[in-house]
Amino acid sequence: GENVEQHPSTLSVQEGDSAVIKCTYSDSASNYFPWYKQELGKGPQLIIDIRSNVGEKKDQRIAVTLNKTAKHFSLHITETQPEDSAVYFCAASMNDYKLSFGAGTTVTVRA
Amino acid sequence: GAVVSQHPSRVICKSGTSVKIECRSLDFQATTMFWYRQFPKKSLMLMATSNEGSKATYEQGVEKDKFLINHASLTLSTLTVTSAHPEDSSFYICSVNPPGTGGEAFFGQGTRLTVV
Repeated sequence: GENVEQHPSTLSVQEGDSAVIKCTYSDSASNYFPWYKQELGKGPQLIIDIRSNVGEKKDQRIAVTLNKTAKHFSLHITETQPEDSAVYFCAASMNDYKLSFGAGTTVTVRA
Repeated sequence: GAVVSQHPSRVICKSGTSVKIECRSLDFQATTMFWYRQFPKKSLMLMATSNEGSKATYEQGVEKDKFLINHASLTLSTLTVTSAHPEDSSFYICSVNPPGTGGEAFFGQGTRLTVV
C-alpha cells in the first residue's frame, strides 16, 4: 500500500516567517495530495490540495508544490500568524479516495 | 465545503460495553464514507470503508467483529465499538467525499472514546 512520510515532526517559527513541510509518497499511482490542518480535539480541515497533473498551487499565504518524478510534495506557509499554530498532515490517495496520511507536523508560531 | 456531523463528540464507557458513533452527511448523499482512528499525537489510520447498502470493507488488521459498521442510509453511517476495552480508547473520525470534487474529503469533528 501507499506509504507517506512527513518531515519535520515539529516546527517552530517566528511570526511572519515562512514554514515548509515536506512529504514523500511511495506509490506512483497516487494522484491526489491534500493537506489538512488539525486543531486539538477536532477533525482535520482541508487547507489546500494538488493533483498529479499540476506542479504548483497557491491560495493566499498557502502554496503546495508537487514533484511527481521524485514523488514528493511540500506545503509552504508564508507570513505565518499565531493562528497557523496547529498540526498539519499531508496525505495521498488514488482513485479509490482512501487517504494515506503522513505522521503530522506540529507547527508553533511564536509571537 | 461539505458538512459532516459526528456524534457524540466525547463518550466514556465501561469495559465490556458497546458504543455507537454516528456520522451524518448533512448536505449531500454519500454512498461511501470512511472511518479513521487516531491515537494521541499520531496520524490518522484508515479503518474501513462504509458502503451504503452493502458490507463495509475493512483494512488489514482491523477486526470487523470488533468494529461494526452499518451504512443504512445515504446520509448516515454508524461505527459500533463492541465489547470495548481500554486499548480501544482513541479518537475516531469519519469522512465523506462529495460527488464531483474528485476525491476531496471532508471530516467530521471526531469522537473521543475513553474506555474505563
